[in-house]
Amino acid sequence: NAGVMQNPRHLVRRRGQEARLRCSPMKGHSHVYWYRQLPEEGLKFMVYLQKENIIDESGMPKERFSAEFPKEGPSILRIQQVVRGDSAAYFCASSKGSNQPQHFGDGTRLSIL
Amino acid sequence: DQQVKQNSPSLSVQEGRISILNCDYTNSMFDYFLWYKKYPAEGPTFLISISSIKDKNEDGRFTVFLNKSAKHLSLHIVPSQPGDSAVYFCAASDRGSTLGRLYFGRGTQLTVWP
Repeated sequence: NAGVMQNPRHLVRRRGQEARLRCSPMKGHSHVYWYRQLPEEGLKFMVYLQKENIIDESGMPKERFSAEFPKEGPSILRIQQVVRGDSAAYFCASSKGSNQPQHFGDGTRLSIL
Repeated sequence: DQQVKQNSPSLSVQEGRISILNCDYTNSMFDYFLWYKKYPAEGPTFLISISSIKDKNEDGRFTVFLNKSAKHLSLHIVPSQPGDSAVYFCAASDRGSTLGRLYFGRGTQLTVWP
């Protein structure tokens, strides 16, 4: 499967724990985007990364959230000290370039107990 | 501030007829528009896109129309099929200043009945 791969598909954490969401882009894609979807809403942009660089993080909450896309390996979205309001579906997308269509993974459903 | 709006949360169409999904936007700087289809528990699937230099783009059963003066775009599906039943999201970007960032509407649930 050459599509965008996200894991885990479901993640359950207790309040105060850390959540790590992983995303492997499509083959040949070097641009990665993270979006969050709350129930009954559209997707909201969080961050845009290229290999080893954060291009736009204007959609990321200022605290507890961070993202990286290292030279080797998947992109990671990290949420520290999770709270109930972090419960959502987190989608990763990739593209060949910033002006190309973004292709999405199937998301990680994060539930906070 | 919702810059992309899909005012119809749902649409029901008979198989074989035309489905028309609508989308409005407020940011005149948007120059690239996309439609995605989403099934439950899956990620959005790219359908079709259009640049602001065009007013129509067609791909098989899917056609997107763009009316820049009205800040309105629509997706036409003809003929509609039961497998088209899904949530459809309109998205837009301002490639000049916000690079790859996409702004999404809240989606329209399309149901195609036999």
